[in-house]
Amino acid sequence: EPEVTQTPSHQVTQMGQEVILRCVPISNHLYFYWYRQILGQKVEFLVSFYNNEISEKSEIFDDQFSVERPDGSNFTLKIRSTKLEDSAMYFCASSDTIGPPFGDIQYFGAGTRLSVL
Amino acid sequence: LAKTTQPISMDSYEGQEVNITCSHNNIATNDYITWYQQFPSQGPRFIIQGYKTKVTNEVASLFIPADRKSSTLSLPRVSLSDTAVYYCLVGEGHGSGNTGKLIFGQGTTLQVKP
Repeated sequence: EPEVTQTPSHQVTQMGQEVILRCVPISNHLYFYWYRQILGQKVEFLVSFYNNEISEKSEIFDDQFSVERPDGSNFTLKIRSTKLEDSAMYFCASSDTIGPPFGDIQYFGAGTRLSVL
Repeated sequence: LAKTTQPISMDSYEGQEVNITCSHNNIATNDYITWYQQFPSQGPRFIIQGYKTKVTNEVASLFIPADRKSSTLSLPRVSLSDTAVYYCLVGEGHGSGNTGKLIFGQGTTLQVKP
């Protein structure tokens, strides 16, 4: 079964450093997302991406965050200058529009645990 | 996106059937009802989706009454490995200007006991 893969599984960084989280979405999917989940809290939407541009972003996704699809397979999330409060699990997801009678289904990766020290 | 309400937690025993009900009074005509499961330190995993009536797959059943203002996820004969958080989400996905983002609530933490 196709799956979304994320690397690394765990990233430890110092405050102020840049990190890049990588994702390989399911190959024929067109819509890509990043979510995050702070320990013990809800899964939060960060950004959606379609047709090589951001289609929506949340308030969390400020100027320190950026996304890129550098080639036909990878989808990356960059945090330019990490803060302590960026420590969380980051999940990548992808979907494709099948159309009625089905709605969209997002497939999530296993996540990257980001620890900012 | 329609707001959903579901119990914060539920307990069950192995072998029992578990039913988790979700309220979504403001569901729109084009909205689908989708349930995800999340284990600790893992990403949410799609379980089942429906629009109306009943849907069944190899994992679960989803019951949706005619007014669609609620839905019930049914897990037959749960095992210890079904201990997880279950999320009910309502939305139409892409289209009509929607980007398909998912808004997760707190979900229902299901604890299956031996």
